[in-house]
Amino acid sequence: NAGVMQNPRHLVRRRGQEARLRCSPMKGHSHVYWYRQLPEEGLKFMVYLQKENIIDESGMPKERFSAEFPKEGPSILRIQQVVRGDSAAYFCASSPRLGVAAYNEQFFGPGTRLTVL
Amino acid sequence: KQEVTQIPAALSVPEGENLVLNCSFTDSAIYNLQWFRQDPGKGLTSLLLIQSSQREQTSGRLNASLDKSSGRSTLYIAASQPGDSATYLCAVRGAAGAGSYQLTFGKGTKLSVIP
Repeated sequence: NAGVMQNPRHLVRRRGQEARLRCSPMKGHSHVYWYRQLPEEGLKFMVYLQKENIIDESGMPKERFSAEFPKEGPSILRIQQVVRGDSAAYFCASSPRLGVAAYNEQFFGPGTRLTVL
Repeated sequence: KQEVTQIPAALSVPEGENLVLNCSFTDSAIYNLQWFRQDPGKGLTSLLLIQSSQREQTSGRLNASLDKSSGRSTLYIAASQPGDSATYLCAVRGAAGAGSYQLTFGKGTKLSVIP
């Protein structure tokens, strides 16, 4: 059973370009979470999605950032017009839909390390 | 707003020692608490998950305890090995409203086990 998959593992963009980060949850998982880890900082929650629905985006910056989890295919975190401050590790996690969602463990992917030049 | 603090920020011990990592959180209304391990440049590996109704969980040489009322958790590592060297993260899942969807992380304790 493959774990959470993220690609690319490393991404380099120049200021002003777009970055697309992909996350495939574990098989059978329908809940996806995105977190960001800035240098020397802890992981911060960004957004929680279920298939075709954004449930909680309270941690997403108001501009340039968007996320989706379509009916088919991976979840995508999109950053438009990247700036140097967006350089960070972006982690995706998934959890199953079993009973009360909040009790379920989150399983993390290896992360995408974004560098903005 | 939930805040998670981990002490110490870094710890260096000789191989074979038993050690304790500490985690504290400000809001005791939580669903669960997870301990993770993060190796440099890598993702997070879940070590132990403690539900709010539980007091402790054990896996091999690891034992995690939870005192929800005082907002504290400890991770005990027995007979430490050089392979245990990593950053250990504590995260809580809030029980109130939107906070129940997200994990709130501490900044971690960087552990070095010296052969």
